[in-house]
Amino acid sequence: GNSVTQMEGPVTLSEEAFLTINCTYTATGYPSLFWYVQYPGEGLQLLLKATKADDKGSNKGFEATYRKETTSFHLEKGSVQVSDSAVYFCALRVGTSGSRLTFGEGTQLTVNP
Amino acid sequence: EPEVTQTPSHQVTQMGQEVILRCVPISNHLYFYWYRQILGQKVEFLVSFYNNEISEKSEIFDDQFSVERPDGSNFTLKIRSTKLEDSAMYFCASSEAETQYFGPGTRLLVL
Repeated sequence: GNSVTQMEGPVTLSEEAFLTINCTYTATGYPSLFWYVQYPGEGLQLLLKATKADDKGSNKGFEATYRKETTSFHLEKGSVQVSDSAVYFCALRVGTSGSRLTFGEGTQLTVNP
Repeated sequence: EPEVTQTPSHQVTQMGQEVILRCVPISNHLYFYWYRQILGQKVEFLVSFYNNEISEKSEIFDDQFSVERPDGSNFTLKIRSTKLEDSAMYFCASSEAETQYFGPGTRLLVL
């Protein structure tokens, strides 16, 4: 079956530090990959996505590259801000529009001033 | 910017009672979904809905659950007889094609 594994959390960083949140996946077929973010008290928001191998998704200074050879989609940001504090979810989708998302466990990021 | 809305934001119910969770998807979207997240666990898929019928459901979505699109705007999830283990955050989502947009969730507590 399909599954997503994220690095164990929580993660605590100082402002302007470099962020990496690891995500690896197992999938039948060729998945699309996503990172969603959940700010306190809010729903899941799409942060970025990549639909095929070697694609790089980017948004708000965050980046992730679809690595088929290592089945990974690690999230990175060069300089985090306090406002980046949230829970980050890696997810995959196999199949056509309307197919389910399969989520990782979520990683709580706290950025201190 | 259009968004998915959900009501209520919180619901407390007694075990065995029926609850209906409501969602208004983004207006031009064709695919609708329900997910849930039990506290401290992964977000789990429940069901997807397209063209007025269920297109996919998970093993969690048993006979206690049902979904309906009663009019052109609402999408509902009904739990017929709630159990303690149904306590979770329930998220509605909709999509036009690939990207799913999520609502803020309904926190359900079954006592």
